[in-house]
Amino acid sequence: NAGVTQTPKFQVLKTGQSMTLQCAQDMNHEYMSWYRQDPGMGLRLIHYSVGAGITDQGEVPNGYNVSRSTTEDFPLRLLSAAPSQTSVYFCASSYSKGRWGLRRYNEQFFGPGTRLTVL
Amino acid sequence: TQLLEQSPQFLSIQEGENLTVYCNSSSVFSSLQWYRQEPGEGPVLLVTVVTGGEVKKLKRLTFQFGDARKDSSLHITAAQPGDTGLYLCAGLNTDKLIFGTGTRLQVFP
Repeated sequence: NAGVTQTPKFQVLKTGQSMTLQCAQDMNHEYMSWYRQDPGMGLRLIHYSVGAGITDQGEVPNGYNVSRSTTEDFPLRLLSAAPSQTSVYFCASSYSKGRWGLRRYNEQFFGPGTRLTVL
Repeated sequence: TQLLEQSPQFLSIQEGENLTVYCNSSSVFSSLQWYRQEPGEGPVLLVTVVTGGEVKKLKRLTFQFGDARKDSSLHITAAQPGDTGLYLCAGLNTDKLIFGTGTRLQVFP
Protein backbone atom coordinates (compact mmCIF):
# COMPACT_ATOMS: atom_id res chain seq x y z
CA ASN A 1 0.00 0.00 0.00
CA ALA A 2 1.18 3.50 -0.83
CA GLY A 3 -0.79 5.00 2.10
CA VAL A 4 -1.57 8.69 1.63
CA THR A 5 0.04 10.36 -1.37
CA GLN A 6 0.18 14.07 -2.18
CA THR A 7 1.21 15.92 -5.30
CA PRO A 8 3.00 18.15 -5.98
CA LYS A 9 5.66 18.18 -3.26
CA PHE A 10 6.60 21.81 -3.95
CA GLN A 11 4.72 24.58 -5.73
CA VAL A 12 5.27 28.29 -6.32
CA LEU A 13 2.32 30.44 -7.39
CA LYS A 14 1.77 34.07 -8.13
CA THR A 15 -0.97 35.98 -6.34
CA GLY A 16 -4.30 35.35 -8.04
CA GLN A 17 -3.37 32.05 -9.66
CA SER A 18 -5.41 28.95 -9.03
CA MET A 19 -4.28 25.40 -8.45
CA THR A 20 -5.35 22.06 -7.04
CA LEU A 21 -3.41 20.06 -4.49
CA GLN A 22 -3.98 16.36 -5.03
CA CYS A 23 -4.46 13.79 -2.28
CA ALA A 24 -5.16 10.09 -2.61
CA GLN A 25 -5.28 7.15 -0.21
CA ASP A 26 -5.46 3.42 -0.88
CA MET A 27 -6.51 2.25 2.60
CA ASN A 28 -10.27 2.53 1.99
CA HIS A 29 -10.52 5.13 4.75
CA GLU A 30 -13.82 6.97 5.05
CA TYR A 31 -12.45 10.11 6.67
CA MET A 32 -10.09 12.48 4.89
CA SER A 33 -8.90 15.94 5.85
CA TRP A 34 -6.66 18.82 4.86
CA TYR A 35 -4.46 20.75 7.28
CA ARG A 36 -2.09 23.64 6.91
CA GLN A 37 0.99 23.97 9.07
CA ASP A 38 2.53 27.33 9.87
CA PRO A 39 5.40 28.05 12.27
CA GLY A 40 4.27 28.18 15.90
CA MET A 41 0.66 27.28 15.06
CA GLY A 42 0.67 23.52 14.85
CA LEU A 43 -1.74 22.04 12.32
CA ARG A 44 -4.99 23.80 11.50
CA LEU A 45 -7.91 21.97 9.92
CA ILE A 46 -9.06 23.44 6.58
CA HIS A 47 -11.75 21.02 5.37
CA TYR A 48 -12.68 17.45 6.07
CA SER A 49 -14.88 14.70 4.68
CA VAL A 50 -16.51 11.80 6.49
CA GLY A 51 -17.24 9.95 3.25
CA ALA A 52 -17.72 10.28 -0.49
CA GLY A 53 -20.06 13.15 -1.33
CA ILE A 54 -19.81 14.71 2.15
CA THR A 55 -17.53 17.61 3.06
CA ASP A 56 -17.45 20.13 5.88
CA GLN A 57 -15.45 23.13 7.00
CA GLY A 58 -12.70 23.10 9.56
CA GLU A 59 -11.05 25.97 11.45
CA VAL A 60 -9.65 27.90 8.46
CA PRO A 61 -11.74 27.15 5.33
CA ASN A 62 -11.72 30.57 3.67
CA GLY A 63 -10.00 30.63 0.27
CA TYR A 64 -10.15 26.85 -0.17
CA ASN A 65 -12.64 24.48 -1.80
CA VAL A 66 -12.86 20.70 -1.63
CA SER A 67 -14.91 17.91 -3.12
CA ARG A 68 -15.06 14.17 -2.47
CA SER A 69 -16.38 12.29 -5.47
CA THR A 70 -14.62 9.02 -4.58
CA THR A 71 -13.44 7.37 -1.37
CA GLU A 72 -9.84 7.52 -2.56
CA ASP A 73 -9.41 11.15 -3.62
CA PHE A 74 -9.78 14.45 -1.79
CA PRO A 75 -8.39 17.40 -3.80
CA LEU A 76 -7.93 20.86 -2.30
CA ARG A 77 -8.50 23.84 -4.60
CA LEU A 78 -7.15 27.34 -4.24
CA LEU A 79 -9.25 29.53 -6.51
CA SER A 80 -7.21 32.75 -6.19
CA ALA A 81 -3.98 32.28 -4.30
CA ALA A 82 -2.88 34.87 -1.74
CA PRO A 83 0.47 35.27 0.06
CA SER A 84 -1.31 34.37 3.32
CA GLN A 85 -1.80 30.88 1.89
CA THR A 86 1.94 30.26 1.85
CA SER A 87 2.24 27.19 4.05
CA VAL A 88 2.86 23.47 4.19
CA TYR A 89 -0.29 21.50 3.43
CA PHE A 90 -0.94 18.02 4.74
CA CYS A 91 -3.63 15.60 3.71
CA ALA A 92 -4.64 12.86 6.13
CA SER A 93 -7.04 9.95 6.27
CA SER A 94 -8.48 7.72 8.96
CA TYR A 95 -11.17 5.19 9.75
CA SER A 96 -14.23 6.98 10.99
CA LYS A 97 -16.24 3.98 12.08
CA GLY A 98 -15.48 0.64 13.64
CA ARG A 99 -17.09 -2.65 12.72
CA TRP A 100 -20.30 -1.89 14.60
CA GLY A 101 -20.63 1.69 13.37
CA LEU A 102 -19.03 3.14 16.48
CA ARG A 103 -16.74 6.08 15.93
CA ARG A 104 -13.09 5.28 16.29
CA TYR A 105 -10.63 7.82 17.56
CA ASN A 106 -9.95 9.39 14.18
CA GLU A 107 -6.29 8.45 14.30
CA GLN A 108 -4.78 10.12 11.29
CA PHE A 109 -2.42 8.81 8.63
CA PHE A 110 -0.66 11.77 7.03
CA GLY A 111 0.76 12.30 3.59
CA PRO A 112 4.25 13.75 3.05
CA GLY A 113 3.00 17.31 2.55
CA THR A 114 3.03 19.99 -0.15
CA ARG A 115 5.09 23.11 0.41
CA LEU A 116 3.30 26.03 -1.25
CA THR A 117 4.75 29.50 -1.75
CA VAL A 118 2.56 32.34 -3.03
CA LEU A 119 4.46 35.36 -4.28
CA THR B 1 -12.31 27.96 18.45
CA GLN B 2 -10.88 25.34 20.74
CA LEU B 3 -7.26 25.82 21.63
CA LEU B 4 -4.66 23.31 22.70
CA GLU B 5 -1.63 25.02 24.12
CA GLN B 6 1.62 23.12 24.36
CA SER B 7 4.58 24.00 26.53
CA PRO B 8 7.39 24.47 26.20
CA GLN B 9 7.44 25.60 22.58
CA PHE B 10 11.13 24.69 22.23
CA LEU B 11 13.33 22.36 24.22
CA SER B 12 17.05 21.66 23.76
CA ILE B 13 18.57 19.07 26.03
CA GLN B 14 21.54 16.72 26.32
CA GLU B 15 21.28 13.01 25.71
CA GLY B 16 20.25 11.18 28.88
CA GLU B 17 18.16 13.97 30.37
CA ASN B 18 14.49 13.62 31.21
CA LEU B 19 11.79 15.99 29.97
CA THR B 20 8.07 16.63 30.10
CA VAL B 21 5.87 18.27 27.48
CA TYR B 22 2.46 19.64 28.45
CA CYS B 23 -0.73 19.96 26.43
CA ASN B 24 -3.49 22.09 27.99
CA SER B 25 -6.98 23.19 27.03
CA SER B 26 -10.07 24.66 28.62
CA SER B 27 -12.17 22.21 26.59
CA VAL B 28 -12.97 18.57 27.26
CA PHE B 29 -11.98 16.06 24.59
CA SER B 30 -13.30 12.54 24.09
CA SER B 31 -9.77 11.34 23.38
CA LEU B 32 -6.33 12.78 22.86
CA GLN B 33 -3.52 11.76 20.55
CA TRP B 34 0.20 12.46 20.42
CA TYR B 35 2.12 12.65 17.14
CA ARG B 36 5.79 13.10 16.26
CA GLN B 37 6.87 14.87 13.12
CA GLU B 38 10.32 14.85 11.55
CA PRO B 39 11.52 17.53 9.10
CA GLY B 40 10.02 17.21 5.62
CA GLU B 41 7.53 14.53 6.67
CA GLY B 42 3.98 14.28 7.91
CA PRO B 43 3.17 13.62 11.58
CA VAL B 44 3.12 10.01 12.76
CA LEU B 45 0.80 8.81 15.51
CA LEU B 46 2.50 7.74 18.75
CA VAL B 47 -0.43 7.03 21.06
CA THR B 48 -4.11 7.64 21.80
CA VAL B 49 -5.43 8.12 25.34
CA VAL B 50 -9.13 7.85 25.97
CA THR B 51 -9.99 7.59 29.67
CA GLY B 52 -9.47 10.38 32.20
CA GLY B 53 -6.34 9.58 34.24
CA GLU B 54 -5.13 7.01 31.73
CA VAL B 55 -1.38 6.39 31.51
CA LYS B 56 0.24 4.71 28.52
CA LYS B 57 3.89 3.80 28.07
CA LEU B 58 5.77 3.44 24.81
CA LYS B 59 9.32 2.37 25.70
CA ARG B 60 10.87 5.51 27.27
CA LEU B 61 7.81 7.67 26.55
CA THR B 62 4.99 7.97 29.12
CA PHE B 63 1.72 9.62 28.18
CA GLN B 64 -0.95 10.71 30.63
CA PHE B 65 -4.47 12.02 30.07
CA GLY B 66 -5.77 14.42 32.72
CA ASP B 67 -8.58 13.31 35.00
CA ALA B 68 -10.92 15.92 33.49
CA ARG B 69 -9.81 15.06 29.93
CA LYS B 70 -8.70 18.65 29.30
CA ASP B 71 -4.95 18.17 29.43
CA SER B 72 -2.19 15.68 28.79
CA SER B 73 1.51 15.24 29.30
CA LEU B 74 4.33 13.42 27.57
CA HIS B 75 7.36 12.43 29.65
CA ILE B 76 10.54 11.14 28.02
CA THR B 77 13.08 9.32 30.17
CA ALA B 78 16.75 9.36 29.20
CA ALA B 79 16.25 11.22 25.95
CA GLN B 80 18.21 10.14 22.91
CA PRO B 81 19.11 12.03 19.70
CA GLY B 82 16.56 9.87 17.87
CA ASP B 83 13.81 11.54 19.94
CA THR B 84 14.50 14.83 18.16
CA GLY B 85 11.42 16.14 16.38
CA LEU B 86 8.21 18.14 16.65
CA TYR B 87 5.72 16.69 19.13
CA LEU B 88 2.05 17.50 18.60
CA CYS B 89 -0.94 16.74 20.77
CA ALA B 90 -4.40 16.57 19.21
CA GLY B 91 -7.82 16.43 20.85
CA LEU B 92 -10.86 14.83 19.31
CA ASN B 93 -14.18 16.68 19.34
CA THR B 94 -16.89 14.79 17.39
CA ASP B 95 -15.52 14.60 13.82
CA LYS B 96 -12.72 17.10 14.20
CA LEU B 97 -9.17 16.63 15.45
CA ILE B 98 -7.79 19.85 16.93
CA PHE B 99 -4.00 20.07 17.05
CA GLY B 100 -1.85 21.78 19.62
CA THR B 101 0.77 24.38 18.85
CA GLY B 102 3.63 21.87 18.99
CA THR B 103 6.85 21.37 20.99
CA ARG B 104 10.09 21.24 19.07
CA LEU B 105 12.58 18.97 20.83
CA GLN B 106 16.28 18.77 20.06
CA VAL B 107 18.42 16.20 21.84
CA PHE B 108 22.17 16.68 21.54
CA PRO B 109 24.62 13.75 21.81
